[in-house]
Amino acid sequence: DAKTTQPNSMESNEEEPVHLPCNHSTISGTDYIHWYRQLPSQGPEYVIHGLTSNVNNRMASLAIAEDRKSSTLILHRATLRDAAVYYCILRDPSGTYKYIFGTGTRLKVLA
Amino acid sequence: GAVVSQHPSRVICKSGTSVKIECRSLDFQATTMFWYRQFPKQSLMLMATSNEGSKATYEQGVEKDKFLINHASLTLSTLTVTSAHPEDSSFYICSARRQGLYTDTQYFGPGTRLTVL
Repeated sequence: DAKTTQPNSMESNEEEPVHLPCNHSTISGTDYIHWYRQLPSQGPEYVIHGLTSNVNNRMASLAIAEDRKSSTLILHRATLRDAAVYYCILRDPSGTYKYIFGTGTRLKVLA
Repeated sequence: GAVVSQHPSRVICKSGTSVKIECRSLDFQATTMFWYRQFPKQSLMLMATSNEGSKATYEQGVEKDKFLINHASLTLSTLTVTSAHPEDSSFYICSARRQGLYTDTQYFGPGTRLTVL
């Protein structure tokens, strides 16, 4: 199974950019990289996904390494509402399209 | 955006009873839905893949006779926890797979907290 590795926790000051890294050295050529975040007692919320090129949306940016073995989720200006557990996920390469969740990164935003 | 609902959001039941949890995709059709379980301070653990009109596929170690899954329509999947026991107390989360020309993404429900007394 393709797996991801993320730091257990990170801290950021409010209104500053945050770079959340993810390693996925066993990624297959057709795997999309998905990012979700989960607030306490809620289901995960979709943030962004990409394949090869960097991606931007209203929530965040996704920077994907040229060899695709790592990626970085960028929150341009962290707010207190961004405090959550962020999961980097690869779609299961077996074709079943199931997600395999790692431990994620708990982001703490300091006021 | 894609919306997935779950009902109920919270349920408390006595040991030995069965509990049904519904998962609905509100603004798209989903041939595939997924059920996860999450214990406190842990990550989500996939329990099963639910396919519309066919039997669910269970992950290793998940008892299919205890966790009954039905996916009778393109917008509804149900998870029934049969003969629930305190160790089944957990946060159950469903997701629905949304497929399009340029997208293939799962959208998650808000979760159901089950407490078995």
